[in-house]
Amino acid sequence: DAKTTQPTSMDCAEGRAANLPCNHSTISGNEYVYWYRQIHSQGPQYIIHGLKNNETNEMASLIITEDRKSSTLILPHATLRDTAVYYCIVRVENTGKLIFGQGTTLQVKP
Amino acid sequence: KAGVTQTPRYLIKTRGQQVTLSCSPISGHRSVSWYQQTPGQGLQFLFEYFSETQRNKGNFPGRFSGRQFSNSRSEMNVSTLELGDSALYLCASSFPKNQNPDTQYFGPGTRLTVL
Repeated sequence: DAKTTQPTSMDCAEGRAANLPCNHSTISGNEYVYWYRQIHSQGPQYIIHGLKNNETNEMASLIITEDRKSSTLILPHATLRDTAVYYCIVRVENTGKLIFGQGTTLQVKP
Repeated sequence: KAGVTQTPRYLIKTRGQQVTLSCSPISGHRSVSWYQQTPGQGLQFLFEYFSETQRNKGNFPGRFSGRQFSNSRSEMNVSTLELGDSALYLCASSFPKNQNPDTQYFGPGTRLTVL
């Protein structure tokens, strides 16, 4: 599985958009980009995933560059409850093995 | 739909003992994966079961084992516990599909403390 690189930590003001970057320069053609978050020792929560097109759901948007070597998770209006560790994962289809990196600790401040 | 449930939520054991953790997947899900999370190593993949067969395994010693039952419920066992086995053990379930990767949904975890 491709390795991902994320900033260790980021701050965001409440109500503003949070843009979390992820580099995955060695991603293969059949590997998807997944985002999960973990709030203080709870189980990771699925956010969104994509292959090459941009994706949006009720939680977030995922922007994947055309060469697929990087992506950005966007939380459009961050709230204090979005404070968590965000993990960017690349994953080969139909395998249950997720390889987590260290993630980005997002601190949303009032 | 009920989420992934794990029992027990907290467990305290002593070195040398063994422990069994249980995971009930989301109804209809057939794949169950297990992860260990420690402050030093982060989240690490243990193994994955699908239709009662292990189909992926991480780099853990043989003291860590698992199984899956016909109703997709899964158990993992750790024998001869060591202090370093203290961790949050997470279970995730999914419903494998043919074309798109299946999304894994995690349970709340079992916090194991080894004294």
